[in-house]
Amino acid sequence: DAEITQSPRHKITETGRQVTLACHQTWNHNNMFWYRQDLGHGLRLIHYSYGVQDTNKGEVSDGYSVSRSNTEDLPLTLESAASSQTSVYFCASSGDSEAGELFFGEGSRLTVL
Amino acid sequence: GQNIDQPTEMTATEGAIVQINCTYQTSGFNGLFWYQQHAGEAPTFLSYNVLDGLEEKGRFSSFLSRSKGYSYLLLKELQMKDSASYLCAVLDSNYQLIWGAGTKLIIKP
Repeated sequence: DAEITQSPRHKITETGRQVTLACHQTWNHNNMFWYRQDLGHGLRLIHYSYGVQDTNKGEVSDGYSVSRSNTEDLPLTLESAASSQTSVYFCASSGDSEAGELFFGEGSRLTVL
Repeated sequence: GQNIDQPTEMTATEGAIVQINCTYQTSGFNGLFWYQQHAGEAPTFLSYNVLDGLEEKGRFSSFLSRSKGYSYLLLKELQMKDSASYLCAVLDSNYQLIWGAGTKLIIKP
């Protein structure tokens, strides 16, 4: 069965460290997204990609970067982790004809001390 | 700005019916989506409305009125497993999903 997986599921790091969260999907979807979810807020879009070599900034992209070198993977990098980036991060993908129907990974809980 | 409002929390009784409302103000509209999210898990797609009216899917139904910027999710014959957060999201003119903060539904026996 097709799936979307994230790793690590849980990570604790220190302020200033670089962190990379991995996302891998086997749906063969062109569209991939990174969201963060915090209490009291809806899902907030960090970065997204509509295909290989395509990346775009979302509403909360400061301090984050992504790269898309193949269809399956969209890693999210925090260049210099800050306490404000403590959150649950979700990766998602969608097909070209189902723009609003997202398939989510299990989430990565990141704590920045 | 773009805004989606839904109640923060609702409580209902097992076996009953509950309606979760969602109002939206977005730049453009290309569909309204409902997702279910159990605590500690990822959101999963429930339903989609692009035209006015009611879409029924088993115990769950979703209604849309584009002129009023309003939708609701109706859950019938509530079961304990329906305890979850329900997220409303609108696909805007740029085909980006704008998300509400979610409604936490608590089911009591």
